[in-house]
Amino acid sequence: AQTVTQSQPEMSVQEAETVTLSCTYDTSENNYYLFWYKQPPSRQMILVIRQEAYKQQNATENRFSVNFQKAAKSFSLKISDSQLGDTAMYFCALPYSGTSYGKLTFGQGTILTVHP
Amino acid sequence: GAVVSQHPSWVICKSGTSVKIECRSLDFQATTMFWYRQFPKQSLMLMATSNEGSKATYEQGVEKDKFLINHASLTLSTLTVTSAHPEDSSFYICSAISGLYNSPLHFGNGTRLTVT
Repeated sequence: AQTVTQSQPEMSVQEAETVTLSCTYDTSENNYYLFWYKQPPSRQMILVIRQEAYKQQNATENRFSVNFQKAAKSFSLKISDSQLGDTAMYFCALPYSGTSYGKLTFGQGTILTVHP
Repeated sequence: GAVVSQHPSWVICKSGTSVKIECRSLDFQATTMFWYRQFPKQSLMLMATSNEGSKATYEQGVEKDKFLINHASLTLSTLTVTSAHPEDSSFYICSAISGLYNSPLHFGNGTRLTVT
């Protein structure tokens, strides 16, 4: 069975600083996607960034970037120049084996608070 | 962008009654929809996958007779919680995918169910 583990229940960061959220996973697949989702207080799930396992280059989306280490099965999210609007719960997610990305296994989540 | 709408956003019902939650894809045809459940400050857990015109596939441990899922059209899936009990109180989130290659997953805004 595949697993997704986020070992940081809560993190905090000062506005404009950088923070890294950790995620490790286990899967028997060789080609797969990995995702980071953001869930603000509104509870709406928002896709932050997506990584395809066959791509060696780390994905970036503006202030958000990942450090994808396939051999180590690690997928951390770096948020640069943190903003108050980044305050949310962040989930790392991995599609079920044999599926693309509709059926997801989510990590436990990390509550990120950005302080002014 | 693509939007998935859930209704109602919140509902309170009495123990023993049934409640229906709707999930609609507003501007695309959703061949597959997924239903997740989330307890406060916890992760999302996949409950079931529904494909238009066919029976839903339930995850292990999810009672199919209690959580009835219908996906009668390409834009609508419904989740009915039958004979609700206080332990069914939770946040229910649907997501939808169009089935086109590399199409993204879209989440609804969620429904908070409270059973008294």
